[in-house]
Amino acid sequence: GQNIDQPTEMTATEGAIVQINCTYQTSGFNGLFWYQQHAGEAPTFLSYNVLDGLEEKGRFSSFLSRSKGYSYLLLKELQMKDSASYLCAVRDSNYQLIWGAGTKLIIKP
Amino acid sequence: DTEVTQTPKHLVMGMTNKKSLKCEQHMGHRAMYWYKQKAKKPPELMFVYSYEKLSINESVPSRFSPECPNSSLLNLHLHALQPEDSALYLCASSQDRGANYGYTFGSGTRLTVV
Repeated sequence: GQNIDQPTEMTATEGAIVQINCTYQTSGFNGLFWYQQHAGEAPTFLSYNVLDGLEEKGRFSSFLSRSKGYSYLLLKELQMKDSASYLCAVRDSNYQLIWGAGTKLIIKP
Repeated sequence: DTEVTQTPKHLVMGMTNKKSLKCEQHMGHRAMYWYKQKAKKPPELMFVYSYEKLSINESVPSRFSPECPNSSLLNLHLHALQPEDSALYLCASSQDRGANYGYTFGSGTRLTVV
């Protein structure tokens, strides 16, 4: 079967750094996506990784290791507005997105 | 225009009603998607249109009927829904199904079936 695992909830402090991990087992691999979703709103695209390594985009970075079936999203200089759910999604060999259940990130002052 | 526009934002309907959800994008994207999302759950894929042809139907009940009139529009026709169909319905688009960047999601239609 296809499976994506990520922690259910994480808590971090404003101004700090947090790493959200994602492990996956899918039928093929055609890229991994990270999305941010605030409660009651639509997901917004954060990053895309298809090759191993780190992709940096401002305060957010995403890392991929295909051999380990592993990715993480790194958020730096956390702000209160970063409180949201973060969804990891893998595109499989049929170009379908397989979604993780999401990690709810709580930022405390 | 870099948005996916969905209407209505909220919809309350009875189990005998017929209604339609609408989705529009003008980014030239050739793949469009309908997702259903329950609270605290990830989006569940319902339908995929690629170049205006239905390419994936994830075994969705026939009370949901998609339509893609042209490359910019996507509709979801609803008929005889059940209370458990209450959810956030999200439309998304991408350059094509293999695009190397993320889907653009609309803000969703919050559907309540009474």
